[in-house]
Amino acid sequence: SQTIHQWPATLVQPVGSPLSLECTVEGTSNPNLYWYRQAAGRGLQLLFYSVGIGQISSEVPQNLSASRPQDRQFILSSKKLLLSDSGFYLCAWQTASNQPQHFGDGTRLSIL
Amino acid sequence: QKEVEQDPGPLSVPEGAIVSLNCTYSNSAFQYFMWYRQYSRKGPELLMYTYSSGNKEDGRFTAQVDKSSKYISLFIRDSQPSDSATYLCAMPDFGNEKLTFGTGTRLTIIP
Repeated sequence: SQTIHQWPATLVQPVGSPLSLECTVEGTSNPNLYWYRQAAGRGLQLLFYSVGIGQISSEVPQNLSASRPQDRQFILSSKKLLLSDSGFYLCAWQTASNQPQHFGDGTRLSIL
Repeated sequence: QKEVEQDPGPLSVPEGAIVSLNCTYSNSAFQYFMWYRQYSRKGPELLMYTYSSGNKEDGRFTAQVDKSSKYISLFIRDSQPSDSATYLCAMPDFGNEKLTFGTGTRLTIIP
């Protein structure tokens, strides 16, 4: 069966520090991969998605970037965090378009 | 107008009641419909996935789709305190890798 791992679960970072969040999927090949941010009391905001290694689509221009160095690995990064980067970051995978997405348990990021 | 509208609640009902959660959408290209449940501090988990108009049942959960009205519903029968969570509807645009989510309805089942 397929599983998705996200780490860390919780992260507290100072403003201006770098960020690297990692997501890996097991049990499937060539998945579509997604990064979302969920602000408190608000919906899911799509940040990036990838349909293959090295292929990244950005939905919202901002302080973050994404990379997909391997088929089942998706990384969310920032060189300098802003206060507004605080939130709950979720990774998801999908076998094909129109199929459900399956989510990891997220990383709660607090910027001080 | 948002593509998907969902009442954010909060919605509180007594244990054992029937719960009705709803979403409306404006894009007629939406053909597939999903319901996710999200517990606090967890990622959303898929509850129901439907394509056709009509009803789909899975245990205590029933998903209903009315494409002519662009309206979908999730019914929970014999609600339990463990059903307390935020429920999100989601729809993929045909041929598009992206999902459009509702903002979620926060549900509390009171013992």
